[in-house]
Amino acid sequence: DIQMTQSSSSFSVSLGDRVTITCKASEDIYNRLAWYQQKPGNVPRLLISGATSLETGGPSRFSGSGSGKDYTLSITSLQTEDVATYYCQQYWSTPYTFGGGTKLEIK
Amino acid sequence: EVQLQQSGPELEKPGASVKISCKASGYSFSGYNMNWVKQNNGKSLEWIGNIDPYYGDATYNQKFRGKATLTVDKSSSTAYMQLKSLTSEDSAVYYCARRSLLRPYFDYWGQGTTLTVSS
Repeated sequence: DIQMTQSSSSFSVSLGDRVTITCKASEDIYNRLAWYQQKPGNVPRLLISGATSLETGGPSRFSGSGSGKDYTLSITSLQTEDVATYYCQQYWSTPYTFGGGTKLEIK
Repeated sequence: EVQLQQSGPELEKPGASVKISCKASGYSFSGYNMNWVKQNNGKSLEWIGNIDPYYGDATYNQKFRGKATLTVDKSSSTAYMQLKSLTSEDSAVYYCARRSLLRPYFDYWGQGTTLTVSS
């Protein structure tokens, strides 16, 4: 199974900060990487697919990058509504696997 | 509008079985695989498996083989997941989520079904 590691389980950040969340796969996943946002008490929501493609309706302050084993999700200027847990997920091979999540909190 | 409507919360005793449903609307049911994902206590997510509604073929995460059984009823556009021999480890929120060949990630999710296993 491909293991997905998000190095930080939580971040405490200030409004307006630039935030970068990292995700590392245990092997090359050829950009088959999605990011999901889960707000407290809500359902996971697809944010980014193919490592870099922002879903329709996704705020432009979100972006994804990376290749091979290493990927990042960036938020250029953190807003209150971005408080959530972010998960990466590989869909290169089954079983599809998720990272442990990175929770963003406001300082 | 795409919607995946799941059945309500379940409270079951250890050793019992439960069947959770996911009714799809707003798209061609047979055109998308239905996936099931487990979330323990708001923590991370585990893929259980998926089913192709057109052929009825299911693929399972080895970890859940023998625990989960996935089925569909095409006539009602509903997917089902049965969990058997329940233990406290099965207490979690279970989501259905659709996936297609062209969009091979989980683009729409059900609202989740909370399963509590307790004597």
